[in-house]
Amino acid sequence: KQEVTQIPAALSVPEGENLVLNCSFTDSAIYNLQWFRQDPGKGLTSLLLIQSSQREQTSGRLNASLDKSSGRSTLYIAASQPGDSATYLCAVRDTNAGKSTFGDGTTLTVKP
Amino acid sequence: EPEVTQTPSHQVTQMGQEVILRCVPISNHLYFYWYRQILGQKVEFLVSFYNNEISEKSEIFDDQFSVERPDGSNFTLKIRSTKLEDSAMYFCASSERSAGGQTQYFGPGTRLLVL
Repeated sequence: KQEVTQIPAALSVPEGENLVLNCSFTDSAIYNLQWFRQDPGKGLTSLLLIQSSQREQTSGRLNASLDKSSGRSTLYIAASQPGDSATYLCAVRDTNAGKSTFGDGTTLTVKP
Repeated sequence: EPEVTQTPSHQVTQMGQEVILRCVPISNHLYFYWYRQILGQKVEFLVSFYNNEISEKSEIFDDQFSVERPDGSNFTLKIRSTKLEDSAMYFCASSERSAGGQTQYFGPGTRLLVL
């Protein structure tokens, strides 16, 4: 059974800092990995999708990497802003039935 | 940009009552999903649906739950006799195809409170 872990559970940084969020998964036979953002009481906004054959994806100030063999992904946020404050979730799809298995998330607070 | 929509945004019900949560997936998508998130816990998979039948379900998705695509646009989750522990945020998602690198798009969720 796939297990997804995210470290740290919470992170507080001053505005402008670069930061890295970590995601690990137990079964490396994944189809893709998706990073989401969740604001309090709200839905899930897709940030980046990395296919199993890819090593990284970039969107603006966000860069996600994937090391399938070691079961790890990182989300790098450059020049953090208070508006980046949210919970970041990592999810892997590991069968062609397509369900996602989620981590607990990392709650990020960016202080002005 | 196309998006997944869900109604209602909030639902309060009495224990034992039936509820139906509604979703309108993105129009050209073929795969549909329901997930739930109990307050303070992980997002958990409930069920996936393709070609008018369930393709996978979790152990959470017991006989009290059912899904249906009653027409060409709606996708519903029914809970027959709600329990207190069914209180959660329920998310619908859709994707174009399940294999490979297709993004799952999530709706804004329905917050269900069972009293």
